[in-house]
Amino acid sequence: AQSVTQLDSQVPVFEEAPVELRCNYSSSVSVYLFWYVQYPNQGLQLLLKYLSGSTLVKGINGFEAEFNKSQTSFHLRKPSVHISDTAEYFCAVREFGNEKLTFGTGTRLTIIP
Amino acid sequence: DGGITQSPKYLFRKEGQNVTLSCEQNLNHDAMYWYRQDPGQGLRLIYYSQIVNDFQKGDIAEGYSVSREKKESFPLTVTSAQKNPTAFYLCASGAAGGNSYGEKLFFGSGTQLSVL
Repeated sequence: AQSVTQLDSQVPVFEEAPVELRCNYSSSVSVYLFWYVQYPNQGLQLLLKYLSGSTLVKGINGFEAEFNKSQTSFHLRKPSVHISDTAEYFCAVREFGNEKLTFGTGTRLTIIP
Repeated sequence: DGGITQSPKYLFRKEGQNVTLSCEQNLNHDAMYWYRQDPGQGLRLIYYSQIVNDFQKGDIAEGYSVSREKKESFPLTVTSAQKNPTAFYLCASGAAGGNSYGEKLFFGSGTQLSVL
């Protein structure tokens, strides 16, 4: 069965500093990987996704993520964060042919002015 | 505008009461989902539906029921059997089957359910 682990529940970062949010997944088959962002009291929006091909994917708002099959990781990065990046970030996995999208427990990113 | 609408935004449940959360989409999506969000636990799948008049249990279906009589609508009923219903509930929709598994889900803005 597919699963996702986000080890960091909270990450504080100074404004304009770089950030990395970690995500590891587990599956016995090929997967699709996603990062979603949730602003306070709202639903989720897709940041980026990995389906196949280049292991470095770029998303909205300057975020990017790298798929590492050997380490079963899909870490999210941004070279310089802004106050508006304050939100909760969820990594998600979906196995090929499986209707279920499984989410991690989320990482709350707090930007310090 | 196309989108997915959840109502109400806030809902209160009394002891022993069933309550129904509404979810409507005009995106012409076949698949619809209900997730429950608790602090520190992420999103957990309650029920999902790939087509009208058909739905499947997710990981935490006990104490909940759904119906899918129309493509646009996927209401969730929180029954009195759900002993800990306080949570933020999110509805989502997306394409179904074929090559759709790599496609994103569209989420509503959520319903916060609290117990009186």
